[in-house]
Amino acid sequence: DIRVTQSPTSLSASVGDRVTITCQASQDISKYLSWYQQKQGKAPKLLIYDASALETGVPSRFSASGSETDFTFTISSLQPEDVATYYCQQYDSLPYAFGQGTKLEIK
Amino acid sequence: QLQLVESGGALVKPGGSLRLSCAASGFTFSGHYMAWIRQTPGKGPEWISYISTSGVTTLYADSVKGRFTISRDNAKNSLDLEMNSLRVEDTAVYYCARDKMVQGLFDSWGPGTLVTVSS
Repeated sequence: DIRVTQSPTSLSASVGDRVTITCQASQDISKYLSWYQQKQGKAPKLLIYDASALETGVPSRFSASGSETDFTFTISSLQPEDVATYYCQQYDSLPYAFGQGTKLEIK
Repeated sequence: QLQLVESGGALVKPGGSLRLSCAASGFTFSGHYMAWIRQTPGKGPEWISYISTSGVTTLYADSVKGRFTISRDNAKNSLDLEMNSLRVEDTAVYYCARDKMVQGLFDSWGPGTLVTVSS
């Protein structure tokens, strides 16, 4: 099974800061990585798919890059409404696996 | 407006059974693979099952294989998950999710329904 490992597990940053989260896959998954945002008490929301494609309606301050085993997710200018837990997920092969999450807070 | 709404979550004893349902609206249900995903507090989501558009193909995570059964009724725009031989570790919020025409990529999720397995 392919595992995905995120870092850091938690992050505190100021409004306007650039924030970066990384995700490492245990084997080559090509571009088949997505990023989700989950706000407290809500379902996850798809933000990014195919490693770097922005889902319709998602603000352009969110971006991502990477391929094979190493991936990065970035918020270019942190906003208060971005407080959430962020997950990466591989969909290269079954079983589809999510990372353990990165909890993002405002400093 | 696309909507997925789960129902059927409850408190059940270990070894018991439960059936979850998901009502879909606002999109062509029969055109999408669908999935069940669960999440325990403080942990990442766990994909547990998906079903093809016709219902012919079903797949399960090892953690639920042989105990859970996914099914769909395209005429009623509904997705079900029959859960048997429930264990304490099955306690979670269960989400139904729509596949984004790419297997394993979930572009819409319901709000979830809580299943608690406890004696």
